[in-house]
Amino acid sequence: GQQLNQSPQSMFIQEGEDVSMNCTSSSIFNTWLWYKQEPGEGPVLLIALYKAGELTSNGRLTAQFGITRKDSFLNISASIPSDVGIYFCAGPANSGYALNFGKGTSLLVTP
Amino acid sequence: GAVVSQHPSWVICKSGTSVKIECRSLDFQATTMFWYRQFPKQSLMLMATSNEGSKATYEQGVEKDKFLINHASLTLSTLTVTSAHPEDSSFYICSATGLAGGLLTYNEQFFGPGTRLTVL
Repeated sequence: GQQLNQSPQSMFIQEGEDVSMNCTSSSIFNTWLWYKQEPGEGPVLLIALYKAGELTSNGRLTAQFGITRKDSFLNISASIPSDVGIYFCAGPANSGYALNFGKGTSLLVTP
Repeated sequence: GAVVSQHPSWVICKSGTSVKIECRSLDFQATTMFWYRQFPKQSLMLMATSNEGSKATYEQGVEKDKFLINHASLTLSTLTVTSAHPEDSSFYICSATGLAGGLLTYNEQFFGPGTRLTVL
């Protein structure tokens, strides 16, 4: 399947700081999805992007679908301790409706 | 809406036994369900795609005779790990996608909470 490169691998920040993470693909996507996973839980969908250039917000989270359709970024503004978790980007796999996931960005927020 | 449940949430079994994990879509009909496996501190890796009423499609390297998948209804898929061994210990996560009054698109998968399998 397509390779998704997600960076950074981990982030350790102070409460109130803004966070930015990104994902690049080896091939063109028509959909980008961002998920958050907390320990011992399944991933929860944060934002779905369907058009190149699209910028979508969900509360303090903002994600953009890159113009080249090979990248996406997720920003979190004014981070809070409950933002802690692993954030995954995902895009459609070659086979049907399955998803390929990036390796994740682990976010730690100190009060 | 778009709730997916898994049962059990965790299971410990002896090597050589079989374990069945259920995945249910609670408020929508899931035409397709997916099974993923996640090892500690790693990403989700797709194991198989399951369409209601048909045989599952397995990813390369996943043994279909070891990981039996049944998707007998539009709200239930099961994964049976047969003759489990310690190396099968992992976090198994299902997801579902389908149509629910336009809420879901084919690219939006909703995930269950996962099942932690430990094989002794």
